[in-house]
Amino acid sequence: AQSVSQHNHHVILSEAASLELGCNYSYGGTVNLFWYVQYPGQHLQLLLKYFSGDPLVKGIKGFEAEFIKSKFSFNLRKPSVQWSDTAEYFCAVSSNSGYSTLTFGKGTMLLVSP
Amino acid sequence: GAVVSQHPSWVICKSGTSVKIECRSLDFQATTMFWYRQFPKQSLMLMATSNEGSKATYEQGVEKDKFLINHASLTLSTLTVTSAHPEDSSFYICSANDGQGRNGYTFGSGTRLTVV
Repeated sequence: AQSVSQHNHHVILSEAASLELGCNYSYGGTVNLFWYVQYPGQHLQLLLKYFSGDPLVKGIKGFEAEFIKSKFSFNLRKPSVQWSDTAEYFCAVSSNSGYSTLTFGKGTMLLVSP
Repeated sequence: GAVVSQHPSWVICKSGTSVKIECRSLDFQATTMFWYRQFPKQSLMLMATSNEGSKATYEQGVEKDKFLINHASLTLSTLTVTSAHPEDSSFYICSANDGQGRNGYTFGSGTRLTVV
């Protein structure tokens, strides 16, 4: 069975600080990797995804993530956060098949102070 | 882009009553839909996978008779919480996949259920 671990439950940053949220997964086969964001009062939205190819994936709103297979990691980064990035971020993994379910990490709550 | 509509967004019901939550894919056909439950300060937990035209597959520990799932068409799946109790109060979220496997998952906006 697959599992996902997010290292930080809460992160507090000032605006313009750089962000890196850790995500490690465990699964024996080929995986698809996702980062989702949930803004306060809103539903989950897809930030970015990795299926294959370039391990550095760029998503919306200036986010990017790097898949490091040897470390089973898919960390999310942003060079300079904004107050509007305050949200909860979920890393998720699915096996590489069309009907695979998603397994989520427990989420990281990011609070950006102005 | 793909849109999933979930209704209602919040509901309050009395203990012992049943509540139906709808999940609709608005601009694509969802051969597979997933129902999740989110406990406070925890991640989404998969409850069941519903496939159009067949019985849902429930995760271990999820009561099939309590959480009835129906996926009668390619655009609609429903979750009915039967004989609801206060411990069923939670945030329920559906997501849909168009079956292509490479477009990620689209989530509904969730339903906040409070059982009093």
